[in-house]
Amino acid sequence: DGGITQSPKYLFRKEGQNVTLSCEQNLNHDAMYWYRQDPGQGLRLIYYSQIVNDFQKGDIAEGYSVSREKKESFPLTVTSAQKNPTAFYLCASRNSGTQETQYFGPGTRLLVL
Amino acid sequence: GESVGLHLPTLSVQEGDNSIINCAYSNSASDYFIWYKQESGKGPQFIIDIRSNMDKRQGQRVTVLLNKTVKHLSLQIAATQPGDSAVYFCAEKGARGGSYIPTFGRGTSLIVHP
Repeated sequence: DGGITQSPKYLFRKEGQNVTLSCEQNLNHDAMYWYRQDPGQGLRLIYYSQIVNDFQKGDIAEGYSVSREKKESFPLTVTSAQKNPTAFYLCASRNSGTQETQYFGPGTRLLVL
Repeated sequence: GESVGLHLPTLSVQEGDNSIINCAYSNSASDYFIWYKQESGKGPQFIIDIRSNMDKRQGQRVTVLLNKTVKHLSLQIAATQPGDSAVYFCAEKGARGGSYIPTFGRGTSLIVHP
């Protein structure tokens, strides 16, 4: 099966703790994205990566970090600097060659204990 | 700034009725639009897309209409079923520093009553 997977489905964070959300795709897509979704709001871009070993800040990058060491993987770390991390996090990927459609993973819901 | 917005936050319909979900965009240079369906607790799913050189595109039970004159996009769902209940949002192709960055609307919640 080809697609985008995110894990875990639910994640709990204690105060002062860093947590990492996983995003993996086997679609051979070059571009990957992380979004945050809060209730009743649209998707807000956290970070994006057009190619391996390169990534750019989105609109709400503060308190988050990413890496792109492999084409198929784009993990997102929510650091202790992010004071309001409770949200639904969505990863997406796109074939930057010819395709303009982003495809999304199932999401990870992050909750603060 | 540029924005993509939705006219109605919630739309309630009866099973079997046709549904119309609207979206306004502000960037007249936009040339590609996508509709997504997002069920509760899940990631958005691609439904249908349309390019600016088209006015209408049909899929299975769905039709997207594009009116470039008034910068308006709509998604029509025929014979709406309970399984269509979800949040629908449109996305507009955008660019940032040469990178493809779409702009998403807030979404419309479609509720289908059996």
